[in-house]
Amino acid sequence: DIQMTQSPSSLSASVGDRVTITCRASQGISKHLAWYQQQPGKVPKLLIYAASTLQSGVPSRFSGSGSGTDFTLTISSLQPEDVATYYCQKYNSAPFTFGQGTRLEIK
Amino acid sequence: EVQLVESGGDLVQPGGSLRLSCEASGFTFKSYAMNWVRQAPGKELEWISYISSISSNIYYADSVKGRFTISRDNAKNSLSLQMNSLRDEDTAVYYCARGAMVGAGLISNWFDPWGQGTLVTVSS
Repeated sequence: DIQMTQSPSSLSASVGDRVTITCRASQGISKHLAWYQQQPGKVPKLLIYAASTLQSGVPSRFSGSGSGTDFTLTISSLQPEDVATYYCQKYNSAPFTFGQGTRLEIK
Repeated sequence: EVQLVESGGDLVQPGGSLRLSCEASGFTFKSYAMNWVRQAPGKELEWISYISSISSNIYYADSVKGRFTISRDNAKNSLSLQMNSLRDEDTAVYYCARGAMVGAGLISNWFDPWGQGTLVTVSS
C-alpha cells in the first residue's frame, strides 16, 4: 500500500506569514491528491483536489502544487481562522490513505 | 443544500455489534460513491470503507476487513456500516463522506462533503 507522509507534524507561524506543508507519497500517484482542513472541534473540509484545484468557496490564499510523489499546500498569508490540522489524502485507488496531519498554530 | 447526517453511534462492549447509518439529502445519492472515515480521539483521519454508486465495487481498510460491512439503499438515500466483533481500538468518531460521481471513477474520489460524525465507544 502507498503511504502518505506529511511534514512538519506541527508548526507555529505568525499572522500574515507564508506557510508551506509538504506531503510525500511512497509511490507515484500522479495528481490524485486532496487536502483537507479540520478546524478544532469541526468536521474535515475539502480545500484542494487534483493536487492544485481549489474547491469552490475556499479562500484564494490557499494553493496546492505537485505531482507524482511530492506535494505542497501553501497558505500565502496566514489568517487566525486558518488554525487547524491539515491532511493530505490519495484517492486514485484503495486504500484511500490520509497523511498523519499537520497541526498549524498561530504564534 | 447537500447534507449528510450520521446516526447510530453508542457505547458498546468489546465483541459487540453496532450499525451506523448516514442519511443523504440535497443531491442525487444514487449517482455518487460513498465512504466511511473514522477518527479516534486526538488521532488522525482513517479511511475505512468505500462503496460505489450501485454497490458494484466495495473496499475496506485492512483494520476492519472481515468485521465491518458497508451497504447502501439508493431508494432511501441511505448508507450503512454494520460493525461486528468491535474492539477497543474501534473507538472513534465515524464520518460518512461523499465520493466520486458515477462514471468519473476513482480519480475523482475526493471526499466532499462530510457528515457531522457519530461517536462509537467500545469499552467494558
